[in-house]
Amino acid sequence: KAGVTQTPRYLIKTRGQQVTLSCSPISGHRSVSWYQQTPGQGLQFLFEYFSETQRNKGNFPGRFSGRQFSNSRSEMNVSTLELGDSALYLCASSLAGGLAGGNTGELFFGEGSRLTVL
Amino acid sequence: DQQVKQNSPSLSVQEGRISILNCDYTNSMFDYFLWYKKYPAEGPTFLISISSIKDKNEDGRFTVFLNKSAKHLSLHIVPSQPGDSAVYFCAAIRIQGAQKLVFGQGTRLTINP
Repeated sequence: KAGVTQTPRYLIKTRGQQVTLSCSPISGHRSVSWYQQTPGQGLQFLFEYFSETQRNKGNFPGRFSGRQFSNSRSEMNVSTLELGDSALYLCASSLAGGLAGGNTGELFFGEGSRLTVL
Repeated sequence: DQQVKQNSPSLSVQEGRISILNCDYTNSMFDYFLWYKKYPAEGPTFLISISSIKDKNEDGRFTVFLNKSAKHLSLHIVPSQPGDSAVYFCAAIRIQGAQKLVFGQGTRLTINP
């Protein structure tokens, strides 16, 4: 069973540009969450999508947006990039995204997309 | 507002000894806690979890302890092995309401031979 796939793995952008990252969840998983990892900050929750709807959102500015397609694949977009946006962006999928029905809340993470903003 | 805190950014332990990683939380509404392990260039992988109705959960060499009154949980690894060297994240979630995992900053564990 294929794991969570994120593309691209590495990318370099300059300030003011925009970037789109892609995530393909594990087959059958309907929930996709995005996290930003920076040194000293751990994993910061960006947003979660379930059945093409944004269900939860973290405390990030509106420059950060996302969407989910009918096949559960998800994209996140960051516009007007700033130096502080340099980070590892992780995508995670789960069956239902919630803890109902015995789901333990376990997330399956991809390897991440490392973004460097110059 | 850091609701989940791992106050030790790094920990070094000798192979074969016990590794204890600590995590504190501030939100008493959290009712499920998880530990994730992350190797460089890989995404985090789930390690072990515990419900707030329990105070201990064990899985092989890994045991998680929860002290609700102190809002503190810990991960014990016994015996520690070189392959355990990684960054460990604790995470918490509230089952009712917005079901998003809140992560700590991570602790880098190094097992010395």
